[in-house]
Amino acid sequence: DGGITQSPKYLFRKEGQNVTLSCEQNLNHDAMYWYRQDPGQGLRLIYYSQIVNDFQKGDIAEGYSVSREKKESFPLTVTSAQKNPTAFYLCASNPPDRKNIQYFGAGTRLSVL
Amino acid sequence: GQQLNQSPQSMFIQEGEDVSMNCTSSSIFNTWLWYKQEPGEGPVLLIALYKAGELTSNGRLTAQFGITRKDSFLNISASIPSDVGIYFCAGLASGSARQLTFGSGTQLTVLP
Repeated sequence: DGGITQSPKYLFRKEGQNVTLSCEQNLNHDAMYWYRQDPGQGLRLIYYSQIVNDFQKGDIAEGYSVSREKKESFPLTVTSAQKNPTAFYLCASNPPDRKNIQYFGAGTRLSVL
Repeated sequence: GQQLNQSPQSMFIQEGEDVSMNCTSSSIFNTWLWYKQEPGEGPVLLIALYKAGELTSNGRLTAQFGITRKDSFLNISASIPSDVGIYFCAGLASGSARQLTFGSGTQLTVLP
């Protein structure tokens, strides 16, 4: 099946621990995005990448890091510097032939132990 | 970043009723998107709008791109129980390098 796959579905982080959320797509999309969603709020952009080996900070990048070594993969690391990591994290990608549209994965819910 | 004002925040309606929700922005947008999100899932695209005045339907859903390019609305006709979820608007402002701005969502509950 084609699509955007996020894993794991649920993730727990201990104090001082870094955790990595996976996002893989087999849609041949160039642009990929990471958003954070908190209850009752819109999606906030963490990082985005337009092409391999290049990425840009979004509105709330502090405490997060990303890499884009392959077109298909855009992992997000939530570092220990992120003091309030509990949230629903969504990955998205943008097809070059459908102007400005983003398609989303099913999300990862991160909680702090 | 840009701000979108989405209203209402929540709605409780009877099955069969029509629903209307809207988004407004202080900036001019050149794309408006409407998504639906169900609990524990990612948003699913419902409708995309690209031109001022554009009116687009997807089944019982109709959305319009406002003439001023600063607003958009979504209508749902003859609501059914599976319409329950959070509806988000998203917009792309001129020169924003494909970064969408999202509204805070409208939580829709359909009562039988």
